[in-house]
Amino acid sequence: DTAVSQTPKYLVTQMGNDKSIKCEQNLGHDTMYWYKQDSKKFLKIMFSYNNKELIINETVPNRFSPKSPDKAHLNLHINSLELGDSAVYFCASSAYDGAEAFFGQGTRLTVV
Amino acid sequence: EDQVTQSPEALRLQEGESSSLNCSYTVSGLRGLFWYRQDPGKGPEFLFTLYSAGEEKEKERLKATLTKKESFLHITAPKPEDSATYLCAVRNFGNEKLTFGTGTRLTIIP
Repeated sequence: DTAVSQTPKYLVTQMGNDKSIKCEQNLGHDTMYWYKQDSKKFLKIMFSYNNKELIINETVPNRFSPKSPDKAHLNLHINSLELGDSAVYFCASSAYDGAEAFFGQGTRLTVV
Repeated sequence: EDQVTQSPEALRLQEGESSSLNCSYTVSGLRGLFWYRQDPGKGPEFLFTLYSAGEEKEKERLKATLTKKESFLHITAPKPEDSATYLCAVRNFGNEKLTFGTGTRLTIIP
């Protein structure tokens, strides 16, 4: 019974395509996040949502658009994919400000 | 801006050889310091939260400590299954985001 699940686990696509990554959490948490982990394994926050409201947008290109249909879901849509978008994207959630975050298993995006 | 620096970048230990990982941080108001473990191909797994200087937390062979400038993750008599990348992160007051360090890649040799 996975707490934070994201799909797909792997995504290979060509430059210029549009793709989406889905994330769902069954922990009842109010806050959800998207993080990007680059080739050097550095984790950097992209977005944070609290009860479906955007809280943090960390200088991410407009091609990235998060969507939260309800507080259990936070999807990431990426337009016009570029080679530099290749990375592992992690979804996470936390119960409240200051609480630990629980991460999904990651989506490895490869743009060719 | 919050900053987290972890050292060493990589550490190889013999099974049973105890050691410590360091996490130095700069944050205007520490809401919490978090330790995670990440195995290859998986998401970070939560280990500990520390909130104030002097606090300590333990779990099996791991013990995390916190001062006003740094945190240590002590590993006592490690086993090969403790091999992973250990990540440190901080959260600022009034800020929802976690700022991560680059991690320490720990390898325990049987």
